[in-house]
Amino acid sequence: AQSVTQLGSHVSVSEGALVLLRCNYSSSVPPYLFWYVQYPNQGLQLLLKYTTGATLVKGINGFEAEFKKSETSFHLTKPSAHMSDAAEYFCAVSAANFGNEKLTFGTGTRLTIIP
Amino acid sequence: EAGVTQFPSHSVIEKGQTVTLRCDPISGHDNLYWYRRVMGKEIKFLLHFVKESKQDESGMPNNRFLAERTGGTYSTLKVQPAELEDSGVYFCASSQMTVQETQYFGPGTRLLVL
Repeated sequence: AQSVTQLGSHVSVSEGALVLLRCNYSSSVPPYLFWYVQYPNQGLQLLLKYTTGATLVKGINGFEAEFKKSETSFHLTKPSAHMSDAAEYFCAVSAANFGNEKLTFGTGTRLTIIP
Repeated sequence: EAGVTQFPSHSVIEKGQTVTLRCDPISGHDNLYWYRRVMGKEIKFLLHFVKESKQDESGMPNNRFLAERTGGTYSTLKVQPAELEDSGVYFCASSQMTVQETQYFGPGTRLLVL
């Protein structure tokens, strides 16, 4: 069984400030980890994913996340927030032992950027 | 290349009525998934098709939900009869048949049952 916990349903940061969205996961098998973003009235778009290899993963729009197995975490960061980053962000996990497995999502974090 | 499309974008129906949602995956994607987000909660998996076959339907809430994928192309999700708790956003996603290929999501169908 797998689960995801996203700490903070709402996060507000000032434009230009560091963005940190937290994600902790639970998985009985090695995980694949994902961050998706949903802009208003759009579908979910993949920001980045960790499957194997380097634990620091870089994604689109300047975001990155680090897989920390010992902490069961996959926090999302961006050094400098931009107004266009305002959206809802979802962390997700799937089982690495099998191919094309379903995603298990967290409850989402809505990011607000303060001008 | 066209992305995943879903129809309708919104649907408002009364309790007891039937609604059919449609998903057109990206061309060539054999994997097709349905997910649902009830307001304020997490996005939950409903089922997974590989081509026309149901690979995993462990997330289907009950037998009022029927999913089909004709000829391994588009998919429909029928809710009959609809209940109030079925309200939410229904997402479709598709992916290629390589190990943990990215799932590409559609914009969702917002269903409101009154």
